[in-house]
Amino acid sequence: NAGVTQTPKFQVLKTGQSMTLQCAQDMNHEYMSWYRQDPGMGLRLIHYSVGAGITDQGEVPNGYNVSRSTTEDFPLRLLSAAPSQTSVYFCASRSGNWGEQFFGPGTRLTVL
Amino acid sequence: AQSVTQLDSQVPVFEEAPVELRCNYSSSVSVYLFWYVQYPNQGLQLLLKYLSGSTLVKGINGFEAEFNKSQTSFHLRKPSVHISDTAEYFCVVYGGSQGNLIFGKGTKLSVKP
Repeated sequence: NAGVTQTPKFQVLKTGQSMTLQCAQDMNHEYMSWYRQDPGMGLRLIHYSVGAGITDQGEVPNGYNVSRSTTEDFPLRLLSAAPSQTSVYFCASRSGNWGEQFFGPGTRLTVL
Repeated sequence: AQSVTQLDSQVPVFEEAPVELRCNYSSSVSVYLFWYVQYPNQGLQLLLKYLSGSTLVKGINGFEAEFNKSQTSFHLRKPSVHISDTAEYFCVVYGGSQGNLIFGKGTKLSVKP
């Protein structure tokens, strides 16, 4: 049972490049989400999904896309990277509203 | 709309001293509160949660928190801290819509020998 896994751990992009951050969980959780963490800002919700085929926007969705074709995977796509997207990105999953939310180890992204 | 405010961005303490990390919330509906911990260069893990019932909630690693409805607070406490408790702590409230969690800005606890 690997829990929530994220790849890559580190990434450097140039402005305008696109990329996909991968997230997978093996706990059969319905709910998955993406957060970004910036110093002094806590974690802010980017996008979330309550099940395969269902996604919705969080607090800071601009510049990001998601899809949920399977229960296990929830990739986050940066369409055209900007320096403001330099951050640490966390994927999380949980079962139901009150279940414990499990976080991945994070992806540290730098956009030059 | 629900929100949480963590009153201290940094809390330095000496080893074996007691600590309290303060959190106030605002909510117009039933309140469900959590504390998460993030050790350096790691992801987050759940310390404890309040959903209902006893207002004193015990978590992992000797931490506890008290839900105080009249003061709209959910402060985190530990009677004696260790160096290994050095981490960032987040107070979190359930946001209601689709079960989204709303995070406070975090309190960095630094335990000195």
